[in-house]
This record gives sequence, C-alpha cells and structure tokens, in this order.
Amino acid sequence: GAVVSQHPSRVICKSGTSVKIECRSLDFQATTMFWYRQFPKQSLMLMATSNEGSKATYEQGVEKDKFLINHASLTLSTLTVTSAHPEDSSFYICSAHGGGKDYGYTFGSGTRLTVV
Amino acid sequence: SQQGEEDPQALSIQEGENATMNCSYKTSINNLQWYRQNSGRGLVHLILIRSNEREKHSGRLRVTLDTSKKSSSLLITASRAADTASYFCATDATDSWGKLQFGAGTQVVVTP
Repeated sequence: GAVVSQHPSRVICKSGTSVKIECRSLDFQATTMFWYRQFPKQSLMLMATSNEGSKATYEQGVEKDKFLINHASLTLSTLTVTSAHPEDSSFYICSAHGGGKDYGYTFGSGTRLTVV
Repeated sequence: SQQGEEDPQALSIQEGENATMNCSYKTSINNLQWYRQNSGRGLVHLILIRSNEREKHSGRLRVTLDTSKKSSSLLITASRAADTASYFCATDATDSWGKLQFGAGTQVVVTP
C-alpha cells in the first residue's frame, strides 16, 4: 500500500530557530499533500495544502510566513516552522492521497515539535 | 473550523464487547472516512464510505452513513485490547477535495 514517510519524528529546538519537517511519498507520486496540526488530546486541524510546483494554499488563520511549505518534487513536501516559539509546540502530520477511490489518505507518522 | 462532532468523547469497554461511536457533520460530502490514531502516532486509514453508500464492512468494522441526517457510525465488533486508540471521522467535502475535516475523536480503551 501507499506509504508516507515523515521525519523527524521528534524535534526539540530553541525559541527563535527554524525547524524543517519532511514528508515523502515512498511508492507513489503525490502532486498534492496536506499538512495538519494537532494539539494534545485534540483533533487534527488542516493548516495548508501543498501543491507540487506551485505555492501552497493556507487555511484561514495560518501564517504563511511562519509555516513555509515547499513541494519541489512529486514525492517531497517540506514544512519549515520559522522563528519557532513555545506556542508552536505541537504534533504536525502530513498526508497524501496515493490509492484508489476506495482508499483514504495516507498519513505520515507525525512530528512532535517542542520549542523550549 | 472543525467539521464534525463525535460522540462519545471517550469509551471504555472490555475485550469481546462491541464499541460504537458516532460522527455528525455539517456540509455536503463526497465521502466520509474513519481513522485510528494510537497515542503520539500518525493516523491509520480504516475505511471510506462514499456519499451514495449506506453501509460498509471491513473485517470487524462496520460503518454506516446517513446523508439525510449528516451522520455516520463506526462499530467495532468483538473488540480487542489492541483496538485501544483514538478514532476520528473525517469528511471530504464536495467543495474542497482533499481538505479533510476531522471530528473531535473518540478515545476508546479496551481492557483485557
């Protein structure tokens, strides 16, 4: 089946630094990937849609200069949290659609970001 | 904004019992999907039901969809301790392909 590899799985960074999270589709091409954010014991909130070869589209309330998305190839999308602050600490998950019409979306394993 | 509401928020059952959780949504959808998430992990796709389907089965899972009521249910039969996880419904709306809107989730604990 479709596999999406996401790393790192955990990262701790200092306030003010930037962190890059990678999301790769391993056995399929994904022209579109999605980035979600999840706070503890809460649901997933869509942050942005990553489009290969074009600019990402961001959901309302998500700062595009804060969360930089690059989708330079059909198998790789990256999310960079710039000038991270403790309130950016969260669980970030990417997803892509790689199967047939009866398949849902394949999610990465998530990245736990802690900003100290 | 969050599309769906799920109930119950938490469910505690014993092995062998059935677990039922419900999901309601607000907009017109292409399909509705159910996912499982183990603590601190990514999501695993369980089952997808299209808007023109009313019921679907996959192993011990049974999903129903009532588009007139904008609601869905997930039934896990003969639950196992390994079923302990959070379960989320997600809708794929007709006007926003791929932008899944997730429900709040149901935390299921199955005790041996």
